[in-house]
Amino acid sequence: EAGVTQSPTHLIKTRGQQATLRCSPISGHTSVYWYQQALGLGLQFLLWYDEGEERNRGNFPPRFSGRQFPNYSSELNVNALELEDSALYLCASSLGRGGTDTQYFGPGTRLTVL
Amino acid sequence: DAKTTQPTSMDCAEGRAANLPCNHSTISGNEYVYWYRQIHSQGPQYIIHGLKNNETNEMASLIITEDRKSSTLILPHATLRDTAVYYCIVRVRSGGSEKLVFGKGTKLTVNP
Repeated sequence: EAGVTQSPTHLIKTRGQQATLRCSPISGHTSVYWYQQALGLGLQFLLWYDEGEERNRGNFPPRFSGRQFPNYSSELNVNALELEDSALYLCASSLGRGGTDTQYFGPGTRLTVL
Repeated sequence: DAKTTQPTSMDCAEGRAANLPCNHSTISGNEYVYWYRQIHSQGPQYIIHGLKNNETNEMASLIITEDRKSSTLILPHATLRDTAVYYCIVRVRSGGSEKLVFGKGTKLTVNP
């Protein structure tokens, strides 16, 4: 069974540009989570989507946004990129809302902002 | 903030058991303890989770104290590939949603 996949593996952008990161959850999973791991800051929760809706977001500015498609894949968009947005962006998926669903992570997208 | 306390780093000899402690003294009755590990610059890997009873799977064992204020992750026969940062996480629920709150974890180094 395929795990969570993310694309691209690496992404290089310049300040002010927009970045789009993609995530495909494990088959059968309807929840997708996004986390940011900046150097020295640990993993920070960004967004949670379930059944196509945003269910919760972390303490990040509105220029971090995303969506979930009918096939449960997800996009994370970061507008007006800043240098401090350079980080590893991780996507996780789980079976769905509530319960004790285990989150399984993808390999991440390394975003570098120059 | 993370609700767990872990040692910053630990060392273990290859082939020996690695015992990673975690304190979660403020854990609520319906909160689970989860363990993940992250090998350098890769996505975190789920290891195991538990509520009250001890748990074992093909990767590790989880021992939770009776008062649930602490737990220990046991890797029975550590290998060099077990070198990673290990995160102990108490499952957080907020307003009907859920998220994982990662602390700094324990950097485990398995030595030959």
